[in-house]
Amino acid sequence: NAGVTQTPKFQVLKTGQSMTLQCAQDMNHNSMYWYRQDPGMGLRLIYYSASEGTTDKGEVPNGYNVSRLNKREFSLRLESAAPSQTSVYFCASRRQDGSNYGYTFGSGTRLTVV
Amino acid sequence: KNEVEQSPQNLTAQEGEFITINCSYSVGISALHWLQQHPGGGIVSLFMLSSGKKKHGRLIATINIQEKHSSLHITASHPRDSAVYICAVTTGANSKLTFGKGITLSVRP
Repeated sequence: NAGVTQTPKFQVLKTGQSMTLQCAQDMNHNSMYWYRQDPGMGLRLIYYSASEGTTDKGEVPNGYNVSRLNKREFSLRLESAAPSQTSVYFCASRRQDGSNYGYTFGSGTRLTVV
Repeated sequence: KNEVEQSPQNLTAQEGEFITINCSYSVGISALHWLQQHPGGGIVSLFMLSSGKKKHGRLIATINIQEKHSSLHITASHPRDSAVYICAVTTGANSKLTFGKGITLSVRP
């Protein structure tokens, strides 16, 4: 099925460990985004990529890095995980036509850092 | 003050009721989005609108640009409508989303 695929769905890390969250979309969207969702905070933008080969910081980029590997894939890396990075992470991509919906979200990655 | 405010924070309704969820924003926007998130689930985009009104099934979304306000209406509500409803706005050329905190809706049978 067409959409945004995120892996893994769940992950537990120890403080200081590193990991990469993978995101891929097969809808030929130009823009891709990484958000984190915390209780009582709403979703916040970590990084985004307006097009292949470009990345920019969002609202909460500290402790993260991203790679736009190609048009389909946009990965998020935690180099040294901290308990404050315990959250649910969502990848999204965006159509740029006049459609009704605009954004497509992945199913989320629930990350716990102990 | 958040740029996007939603009210009420929690809402409980009986099956069949007409439900209204409100969203106010304080910045200039290019579009407003309504999103739905079921417990433990992913996020689904319901509407994107920049003026007027849109309808999809039992859902209706309206926006008043002058008043910086939008409403999401659910007609003939059903327990499967129980979810978190999130309002978000798009600002700027890169179309980054700014989210409200969401409203938790519970529809009782």
